[in-house]
Amino acid sequence: SQLAEENPWALSVHEGESVTVNCSYKTSITALQWYRQKSGEGPAQLILIRSNEREKRNGRLRATLDTSSQSSSLSITATRCEDTAVYFCATEPGTGGYKVVFGSGTRLLVSP
Amino acid sequence: EAAVTQSPRSKVAVTGGKVTLSCHQTNNHDYMYWYRQDTGHGLRLIHYSYVADSTEKGDIPDGYKASRPSQENFSLILELASLSQTAVYFCASSDWGFNQDTQYFGPGTRLLVL
Repeated sequence: SQLAEENPWALSVHEGESVTVNCSYKTSITALQWYRQKSGEGPAQLILIRSNEREKRNGRLRATLDTSSQSSSLSITATRCEDTAVYFCATEPGTGGYKVVFGSGTRLLVSP
Repeated sequence: EAAVTQSPRSKVAVTGGKVTLSCHQTNNHDYMYWYRQDTGHGLRLIHYSYVADSTEKGDIPDGYKASRPSQENFSLILELASLSQTAVYFCASSDWGFNQDTQYFGPGTRLLVL
């Protein structure tokens, strides 16, 4: 099983709607990052949230972190077609040396 | 905007051959990283470096070497390419480590090993 996993595997919404992607992880962490990857491009970091933070915002994006349940969510409000991408969460466990774990992503399609 | 470039953007290699992927950043960042991405999956860390002339192993270093001759340049070397190394490779840079800073990714190199 994966150490970090997003769900659902895919989402489809219409422009203007809000959407939430969830991430669950299996180890203690120092931080969690959310990335967006558009087709044919490298990932772009959206939000970094540290283990002592519960919520972080970046424009239309809002990330939450619950270390007790080892979960995070990324919400996008007022979605646009250009939000179509794969969304990943990535964690750095706090122990065991330097190790970065990415999930396999949630595929978001935003239609006009 | 931070800039990370990679070359080549795509490459076809033969099994057993040597492949070198190059990465250049103009951000004056200390940290640089190499990841691989397999179709439909997330990224996995191969090697990283936090200072010139030094590299560290990531999660999946076997079959790969890395070289950081200068702060700006970071190479990934496949001495004996294998079919299983077919993937897209991404380079990234950051000013600090993972839990403190933004990572800026390059556009990727698509490698096909035949």
